[in-house]
Amino acid sequence: EAGVVQSPRYKIIEKKQPVAFWCNPISGHNTLYWYLQNLGQGPELLIRYENEEAVDDSQLPKDRFSAERLKGVDSTLKIQPAELGDSAVYLCASSLLYEQFFGPGTRLTVL
Amino acid sequence: DQQVKQNSPSLSVQEGRISILNCDYTNSMFDYFLWYKKYPAEGPTFLISISSIKDKNEDGRFTVFLNKSAKHLSLHIVPSQPGDSAVYFCAASGRNNNDMRFGAGTRLTVKP
Repeated sequence: EAGVVQSPRYKIIEKKQPVAFWCNPISGHNTLYWYLQNLGQGPELLIRYENEEAVDDSQLPKDRFSAERLKGVDSTLKIQPAELGDSAVYLCASSLLYEQFFGPGTRLTVL
Repeated sequence: DQQVKQNSPSLSVQEGRISILNCDYTNSMFDYFLWYKKYPAEGPTFLISISSIKDKNEDGRFTVFLNKSAKHLSLHIVPSQPGDSAVYFCAASGRNNNDMRFGAGTRLTVKP
């Protein structure tokens, strides 16, 4: 069984530039999550999808962050414009029940 | 607000001995607790979990203990192996898997 796939693995951009991350969850997992992980901290939820619906986006900074999950499968997380403080690892996870399966993450560096 | 706390950022143990990782939580509505293990440049991987209706769950060398009255859980690894060296995250979730919260992680080093 393939795991959660994320791309790119690493991204370096200059501040004020846009950036997008892509996630392909495990087949059959209806719930998809985007997390932000800063150095030395645990993952923090940005948004949770149940199929196509964003059921929890309360922690998503909507002025610059957006996400979509068309057709209830793949998902894209976008930042526009990026700020220095956005440098972090962005994790995608999917689940059927309680156990969440994580992708390897995208490490974003904003210069 | 940090609802899940791992107060020890690091732990070092000798191979073959017991590793005990601790986690405290503040939200009494948490219903399900999990431990994840993370190697560098990889995402967290699920290790073991426990429901709030239990006080112990065991899987091979890994045992999780839950003390609801103290809002405390711990992960025991016996015997510890060098391959167990990783960052361990404690996580807690409310009913229906909503709003899972993670601790900051404990870096375990098992010395040969």
